[in-house]
Amino acid sequence: GAGVSQSPSNKVTEKGKDVELRCDPISGHTALYWYRQSLGQGLEFLIYFQGNSAPDKSGLPSDRFSAERTGGSVSTLTIQRTQQEDSAVYLCASSSHVSYNSPLHFGNGTRLTVT
Amino acid sequence: QQQVKQSPQSLIVQKGGIPIINCAYENTAFDYFPWYQQFPGKGPALLIAIRPDVSEKKEGRFTISFNKSAKQFSLHIMDSQPGDSATYFCAASGNAGNMLTFGGGTRLMVKP
Repeated sequence: GAGVSQSPSNKVTEKGKDVELRCDPISGHTALYWYRQSLGQGLEFLIYFQGNSAPDKSGLPSDRFSAERTGGSVSTLTIQRTQQEDSAVYLCASSSHVSYNSPLHFGNGTRLTVT
Repeated sequence: QQQVKQSPQSLIVQKGGIPIINCAYENTAFDYFPWYQQFPGKGPALLIAIRPDVSEKKEGRFTISFNKSAKQFSLHIMDSQPGDSATYFCAASGNAGNMLTFGGGTRLMVKP
């Protein structure tokens, strides 16, 4: 079946502009995660959605970052007033539920470049 | 605060060699330790995982060794192949969840 789909695959934007990144999780997956991968770095947790529960926003680096998940499916990560340090690959992952037997399935990411 | 430290950052081995990647963690609440493999332009994919009730787990050519007292775990790739060239991430989570904390990654190159 289809995996996690992210769009766009690449985004170049000017400093100060807002951007929206989209994630379509695997159908039926209740958990959805956003991670950020900076060049040569590991994956930095941003935000986590589980079913209808309030999202865990503890990883968002500033109030310029926000995310929502509509209807328990598609998620959008929004970065307002982008800065050059926001340049990174933004990865979305989903899992069928929260347990050891439910691995994360990652999309291929959106490469964001802020000029 | 980086709670999972991974080394080395990069590694080059000859085909057939046994690359070893090490990770150390600080949070004693962690009880699930997966390894992810990432090819260029792709998202990470789960390779193998271990829980602390065992000291070793093998899946094909991939082995995780786990040392609970030292809070360390490592990935060994037996008979490495050029197709294993990728970036490898260790990770950890706790409380029966999969909110993963990742290590910094190791870029592995296997030369033919």
